[in-house]
Amino acid sequence: GAGVSQTPSNKVTEKGKYVELRCDPISGHTALYWYRQSLGQGPEFLIYFQGTGAADDSGLPNDRFFAVRPEGSVSTLKIQRTERGDSAVYLCASSLIAGGPTDTQYFGPGTRLTVL
Amino acid sequence: GNSVTQMEGPVTLSEEAFLTINCTYTATGYPSLFWYVQYPGEGLQLLLKATKADDKGSNKGFEATYRKETTSFHLEKGSVQVSDSAVYFCAPMFSGGYNKLIFGAGTRLAVHP
Repeated sequence: GAGVSQTPSNKVTEKGKYVELRCDPISGHTALYWYRQSLGQGPEFLIYFQGTGAADDSGLPNDRFFAVRPEGSVSTLKIQRTERGDSAVYLCASSLIAGGPTDTQYFGPGTRLTVL
Repeated sequence: GNSVTQMEGPVTLSEEAFLTINCTYTATGYPSLFWYVQYPGEGLQLLLKATKADDKGSNKGFEATYRKETTSFHLEKGSVQVSDSAVYFCAPMFSGGYNKLIFGAGTRLAVHP
């Protein structure tokens, strides 16, 4: 079976533009997570979906960031009015059993966003 | 609050040397503990995990034991190979936090022949 996939793999945009990053989780996984990894650092949590709803969006840095998962599968992370500080690798992960202590998150390859 | 501290890198070893990468955490509860690895040019992969005290996770010759008394989850390997060169991340998953992982800063390991 396929793993988590993310598109595009690279995205270069100009300051002030709008971008969308897509994540396709592993089939059957109900939980989906977005993380952001800046150069030389560990990933930082952004948002978690259980099904279609965002159960925890406490990691979103500000209201320019928004994510949706309308059918409980594919998710899109949307960033408005991009800033140079948004440049990072955006990682998506999915897991089978939401809420379980033994839950394992499987990560996609990431989207490298560069804001010029 | 909940946090994780990981040994700073880079760590440079010769092939067949013994490896230890330290990881400690602070928590109000008892998290599940994970080590992820990021090989050059690749995405994050789960290396091993432990979900309760005294559990030992193991994979590919790597081991880590969940030590509740010292709140630690140190990663060890008896004999490293060049192919183990990668960045290693310790990541507790704290209960009550909707299973979000809190990653350490990562430890870069370079193994030379």
